[in-house]
Amino acid sequence: KNEVEQSPQNLTAQEGEFITINCSYSVGISALHWLQQHPGGGIVSLFMLSSGKKKHGRLIATINIQEKHSSLHITASHPRDSAVYICAVRPDKLIFGTGTRLQVFP
Amino acid sequence: ETGVTQTPRHLVMGMTNKKSLKCEQHLGHNAMYWYKQSAKKPLELMFVYSLEERVENNSVPSRFSPECPNSSHLFLHLHTLQPEDSALYLCASSLDMGDTQYFGPGTRLTVL
Repeated sequence: KNEVEQSPQNLTAQEGEFITINCSYSVGISALHWLQQHPGGGIVSLFMLSSGKKKHGRLIATINIQEKHSSLHITASHPRDSAVYICAVRPDKLIFGTGTRLQVFP
Repeated sequence: ETGVTQTPRHLVMGMTNKKSLKCEQHLGHNAMYWYKQSAKKPLELMFVYSLEERVENNSVPSRFSPECPNSSHLFLHLHTLQPEDSALYLCASSLDMGDTQYFGPGTRLTVL
């Protein structure tokens, strides 16, 4: 069993929908990262969290350290949000989840 | 654009070939990383360099040989690879180890 589990593995949505992607982990961490990988491979770091909540534009990331759980929310989703979203945790080095593939249709 | 570039973007090689992947950043970062991403598997950290010194080697076969000649450049030399080595190889850099990593676009490698 992977130390970082993401759900769902695949997600489809209509443009405008509110999206939630979940990440659960089983190790003690100093930080959690959310990353976005577009078709073609390039990865962009979205958030680094150690507690609470962060917001950037239409993206919101939350973390509950006690429950070892984080969520990534996308408000008013758009087709350009289509990508793989990857959760990674840092006990000492980064451990990655397998990602959630999101497709947003117009 | 993250400021981290990788060349080539695509590479097809035979099992007896020798090739090299190149990563470059001019962000002033001190740490650089090589990752492997295979289909349906999480990203796997292969090597970490900090201030041009290798600080981590995660049980990577010797057919993969990294080189960091200076803080802006990182190479991955490939020699007698296997078909199961076909994957996306991603380079990343960070200001220092533990800081947010910036990823390159990756090299899609196919070993025939």
